[in-house]
Amino acid sequence: DAGVIQSPRHEVTEMGQEVTLRCKPISGHNSLFWYRQTMMRGLELLIYFNNNVPIDDSGMPEDRFSAKMPNASFSTLKIQPSEPRDSAVYFCASSFSRKAGHQYFGPGTRLTVL
Amino acid sequence: TQLLEQSPQFLSIQEGENLTVYCNSSSVFSSLQWYRQEPGEGPVLLVTVVTGGEVKKLKRLTFQFGDARKDSSLHITAAQPGDTGLYLCSMGAQKLVFGQGTRLTINP
Repeated sequence: DAGVIQSPRHEVTEMGQEVTLRCKPISGHNSLFWYRQTMMRGLELLIYFNNNVPIDDSGMPEDRFSAKMPNASFSTLKIQPSEPRDSAVYFCASSFSRKAGHQYFGPGTRLTVL
Repeated sequence: TQLLEQSPQFLSIQEGENLTVYCNSSSVFSSLQWYRQEPGEGPVLLVTVVTGGEVKKLKRLTFQFGDARKDSSLHITAAQPGDTGLYLCSMGAQKLVFGQGTRLTINP
């Protein structure tokens, strides 16, 4: 079975550009999570959805970040405009809401903003 | 803000040695998870513990949840190079909070 799929795996962009990260959760999972990982701050939850509805976006750094989940099989995380401090690895994870501690992570997108 | 502290931050040992890493918080956990992350990949769940004093074993890995549910430990017996990775503890039911992790290196 396919796991969580993320694209692109690597993204290099210039400051000020728009960046869109994509995620396909595991089929049948009804919760989806976006995380950011840096050496300084570790793994941080940005936002999560249950049944395609955003539940908690308190981890989103600022208005430059937005996330959508238009259907059960697709989500995007958008940064506009991007800044060098956004450079990090961004992970998408999915789970069954009743077993939410067991999250299945994708391979991540390594974002570099120059 | 609930914080999880993991120690040590880095650990490098020889193959065959035993080791223990720790996860501590000032708050009581409803449940605690241990994940392992290898370079270039996402974290993978190893175990979930929910009951104070609980002990779970996964081959050479032994996980213990403190009686007061505020701390946990992971013990590895006879470490192997394949155990190398970043070990993360997390707490929460759905909105997980992660510790900074212990970066473990097992040298052949």
